[in-house]
Amino acid sequence: NAGVTQTPKFQVLKTGQSMTLQCAQDMNHEYMSWYRQDPGMGLRLIHYSVGAGITDQGEVPNGYNVSRSTTEDFPLRLLSAAPSQTSVYFCASHGAGAGSYEQYFGPGTRLTVT
Amino acid sequence: SQQGEEDPQALSIQEGENATMNCSYKTSINNLQWYRQNSGRGLVHLILIRSNEREKHSGRLRVTLDTSKKSSSLLITASRAADTASYFCATIGRGYQKVTFGTGTKLQVIP
Repeated sequence: NAGVTQTPKFQVLKTGQSMTLQCAQDMNHEYMSWYRQDPGMGLRLIHYSVGAGITDQGEVPNGYNVSRSTTEDFPLRLLSAAPSQTSVYFCASHGAGAGSYEQYFGPGTRLTVT
Repeated sequence: SQQGEEDPQALSIQEGENATMNCSYKTSINNLQWYRQNSGRGLVHLILIRSNEREKHSGRLRVTLDTSKKSSSLLITASRAADTASYFCATIGRGYQKVTFGTGTKLQVIP
């Protein structure tokens, strides 16, 4: 199993550009989440999904869109990049059965917006 | 605001000493987990404690949970230089859906 994969690993955007961060998992997990990590802020939840076709907002959803058309994929779209979105982005997934709440993380995408 | 807050924000100890980190959270939970993050990497799950448990052990790790105080602690015994990392608590609420993280404790173990 590849686990949780994220692409790209690094990205530089100009203010106003849009892009999509890709996330995929091959563990058949129902739950997937996107977090951003800024220095001294820990991880903040952007959006999450409890299954294909179902998404909801986390703590910091503004400026981001998500969709979940399949169980495996959960892309994160930046609509119009701003310098405040410079961060490291992590995708994570976990199962729904009893005791299956361990989150598996991808390696992260380091995004810089100039 | 974030669900969890870790204390202290940073901790520096000598190899062989014990390290204790605390986590406080705000709302009712189903379970609480601790994760470790090496610099620049994704988080790795360490241990999970359910809301009806008070203490749990895994190797050199001991976790306690006090739901009346909405707090948890992580104890790493006989620390090693390889334990140098950031440690985060994470909570899952009653709906089993959102997993929210605290701000983390940065641990440095000096050889």
